[in-house]
Amino acid sequence: AQSVSQHNHHVILSEAASLELGCNYSYGGTVNLFWYVQYPGQHLQLLLKYFSGDPLVKGIKGFEAEFIKSKFSFNLRKPSVQWSDTAEYFCAVPRSDKIIFGKGTRLHILP
Amino acid sequence: DVKVTQSSRYLVKRTGEKVFLECVQDMDHENMFWYRQDPGLGLRLIYFSYDVKMKEKGDIPEGYSVSREKKERFSLILESASTNQTSMYLCASSLSSGPYEQYFGPGTRLTVT
Repeated sequence: AQSVSQHNHHVILSEAASLELGCNYSYGGTVNLFWYVQYPGQHLQLLLKYFSGDPLVKGIKGFEAEFIKSKFSFNLRKPSVQWSDTAEYFCAVPRSDKIIFGKGTRLHILP
Repeated sequence: DVKVTQSSRYLVKRTGEKVFLECVQDMDHENMFWYRQDPGLGLRLIYFSYDVKMKEKGDIPEGYSVSREKKERFSLILESASTNQTSMYLCASSLSSGPYEQYFGPGTRLTVT
């Protein structure tokens, strides 16, 4: 069965630092992957998704993720973070009509 | 834009009370979901509905039931609330025959005292 694991539970960075959040998935046939974000006090929303094609996926607010099949990874990246990127980030994998979420990474950006 | 609304943002109930959490979506989605979100545990699926009057247990259904009488509305019921059900509850909806992204409501923070 497909599952995802996120390595970092809590990350603290200063503004302008580069970001990479790890996500590994377990193999289960066709691979589709999501990153969701939850800003403080707001609802969970889709950041980006990979279904097929170009393994480098661009999302909203300057985020991107790279699907690396050989490493079973789908890490989230941003070259220069802003204070407004403070949020909780979830990697997720669809399973039939459902979605399996990772445990999340809390990101704090220091101004 | 898809809109998923939940009846309350904050709710305080006493142990043993029956609690109803309501969720409504306006995009004619077939699938609807209830999750609970706890720090360090991520999102855990409680129940899932793929059609009116149809439901399927998720990973943690114990202590909960659901109702889906209309396509746009999905209710989560705590038959007898307990303190370990204090949590953030999230509702979501999606099209069927995935993998489609899910759209989430703002959440209900339930405290059981």
